[in-house]
Amino acid sequence: QKEVEQDPGPLSVPEGAIVSLNCTYSNSAFQYFMWYRQYSRKGPELLMYTYSSGNKEDGRFTAQVDKSSKYISLFIRDSQPSDSATYLCAISNTGNQFYFGTGTSLTVIP
Amino acid sequence: EAGVAQSPRYKIIEKRQSVAFWCNPISGHATLYWYQQILGQGPKLLIQFQNNGVVDDSQLPKDRFSAERLKGVDSTLKIQPAKLEDSAVYLCASSPGLMKETQYFGPGTRLLVL
Repeated sequence: QKEVEQDPGPLSVPEGAIVSLNCTYSNSAFQYFMWYRQYSRKGPELLMYTYSSGNKEDGRFTAQVDKSSKYISLFIRDSQPSDSATYLCAISNTGNQFYFGTGTSLTVIP
Repeated sequence: EAGVAQSPRYKIIEKRQSVAFWCNPISGHATLYWYQQILGQGPKLLIQFQNNGVVDDSQLPKDRFSAERLKGVDSTLKIQPAKLEDSAVYLCASSPGLMKETQYFGPGTRLLVL
C-alpha cells in the first residue's frame, strides 16, 4: 500500500468552477500536509502547507485536513485558465519521511 | 533571489552510457535534494545532503547512481550505466534547514534513455 494515494485525473472544468482535489494517506503518524502545483516542464512549487487537522485559506485556495479519515483536500474557487497544472499532495512527519502523491492533472477551460 | 539552477535541461543518451546532472541550490540553503520523477508519478527522493554530508540515500540505486556535494554548495548526480527505466525528470531542490516542507525546486533535467 502506498503511503499516499491521489486520483490522477485528468480533471477538466470550465473557468469559474470550484475544483476539489483529494488525497488519502495510510499512516496516522503523518502530521504535515502540503499541496504543490507543477506546471508543464517546471519543478513543483509549494502552494499550501498545513499542520494537523483543520482548514487553511490563501486567496482562492483552501486546504483541508481530516486526520480522523486520513483525507486531505485542496479547493480552488473561481478557477482560472492559469490554474491549469498538475497538483501534487505531499505528506511528512517529524521523522523526515516525506512522500508525494502521483499528482492530478487539471485543465481549466476558458 | 535566484532560484535553484539545473543543467542540462534535456539529455538523450543510449542505454549503458553514462550521464551527469548539475545543480546549484539557492544561496545559503544548507540542504539539497535530488528527486526522480517518472512520467505520471510524483517525485521520489533519491538523496538528501545537509551541507556536504548525506542525510538520506535509502532510495538511491547505488549500483548505478552516485551523487556528490563536495563543497556543500553545487551538486552532481551521475548515472552509470543508464537503463531504459531511468528515463525521467531529475529534480533538484534546496531548503534552508532539514525540513522538506520548505524546499524549493529547480526546473529539472529531462532524461531520455534509448
